[in-house]
Amino acid sequence: QVQLVQSGAEVKEPGASVKLSCKASGITLTNHFMHWVRQAPGQGLEWMGTVHPDTITTTYSLRFQGRVTMTSDTSTSTVSLELRSLRSEDTALYYCMREAIGAAKNFDCWGQGTLVTVSS
Amino acid sequence: QSALTQPASVSGSPGQSITISCTGSSSDVGTYNLVSWYQNHPGKAPKLIVYEDNKRPSGVSNRFSGSKSGNTASLTISGLQAEDEADYYCCSFAGGNIHYVFGTGTEVTVL
Repeated sequence: QVQLVQSGAEVKEPGASVKLSCKASGITLTNHFMHWVRQAPGQGLEWMGTVHPDTITTTYSLRFQGRVTMTSDTSTSTVSLELRSLRSEDTALYYCMREAIGAAKNFDCWGQGTLVTVSS
Repeated sequence: QSALTQPASVSGSPGQSITISCTGSSSDVGTYNLVSWYQNHPGKAPKLIVYEDNKRPSGVSNRFSGSKSGNTASLTISGLQAEDEADYYCCSFAGGNIHYVFGTGTEVTVL
């Protein structure tokens, strides 16, 4: 089955870090940029950044630069997102997505989402 | 960079056609022919239904069609079906330091 499988829900205290994973099943990540977006309660989707699993090249949204790290492990077809210094506003549903081949600027496969709750 | 503006909700009866608008700016929607649309059933992974303004991926029903005029993109769903009830998001490439901007989302209800 073609899918991206994300790790389970997380509950963190303010100031902590969280690391989310996204594993490809039945699809290749080779030659594809991988992206992360998030959706806070009642809000739209917000792009966070991208990582290329082959080159480990990363580009982050200015809003998250300094707090986020995206990594990849081609041996396990997994990409990860680490977000540090969590605050309540980081409570959101986080999605990983695969960009269509050829840096096509659209996302042809999505994970099911991981809910992160930041609360003391 | 502000989110793209979509109506919060759109509804229609089975068999009808509905259109969802997605308004951006000359920095994103109006410059790049790179608007995509996604269907999101609650609890499921979002699905790509339109890319590059008006192209459909293989396997997506031809009841979904995309168009664009100036800074506003639109998604039309014709022959509305119960299974079309979902949230819909537009997205545009925006270049520079912004990269991608998404719409605020539209909840489609089939009456």
